[in-house]
Amino acid sequence: GEDVEQSLFLSVREGDSSVINCTYTDSSSTYLYWYKQEPGAGLQLLTYIFSNMDMKQDQRLTVLLNKKDKHLSLRIADTQTGDSAIYFCAEIPNDYKLSFGAGTTVTVRA
Amino acid sequence: DTGVSQDPRHKITKRGQNVTFRCDPISEHNRLYWYRQTLGQGPEFLTYFQNEAQLEKSRLLSDRFSAERPKGSFSTLEIQRTEQGDSAMYLCASSSLPGLAGGQETQYFGPGTRLLVL
Repeated sequence: GEDVEQSLFLSVREGDSSVINCTYTDSSSTYLYWYKQEPGAGLQLLTYIFSNMDMKQDQRLTVLLNKKDKHLSLRIADTQTGDSAIYFCAEIPNDYKLSFGAGTTVTVRA
Repeated sequence: DTGVSQDPRHKITKRGQNVTFRCDPISEHNRLYWYRQTLGQGPEFLTYFQNEAQLEKSRLLSDRFSAERPKGSFSTLEIQRTEQGDSAMYLCASSSLPGLAGGQETQYFGPGTRLLVL
């Protein structure tokens, strides 16, 4: 995942918004993804965005894409304790191989 | 349960032993992928199948690793002569083929097999 970079840690108070940032390198990626991983578990797809979109909203999740800067962000509104997990940003520069960042560990404190 | 399943969930082995993992994809999915995830890192692509055909193998997949999908359904990943550096989570994912007009094909992941080589 050296082509996808994310900050490693984020601590947020319960009820606040979380913003996780990601930069990617391959402008040919047609889709960009956010996955969530809870301890000891596999990856759960949270959302994805098509590269010709600037924003996508899905309930508490908002994805923003700045294609010029190759910057992707995930905002989680009203963060809950169940949102504590590792969040991975991924690009897919061809049509099959996901390239992941190292993940951002989100800790929600009461 | 119609998701991706993997077996076993955990495996502890001694260095030099062979291990085999199994993945059962979502039934209507043509594509099946293997990824490896080490501690503190994101998953890294190992290989993928479209139906029975193995279409790409990463340079991470040394000659000690072999993957098969004989009938285009379940897949196995075998590691021969395991080394301590093989300790990782092995993740399987599946997806359907994009349509003729393209489009995204979400990869759905299984729970993974955690391997520890002593």
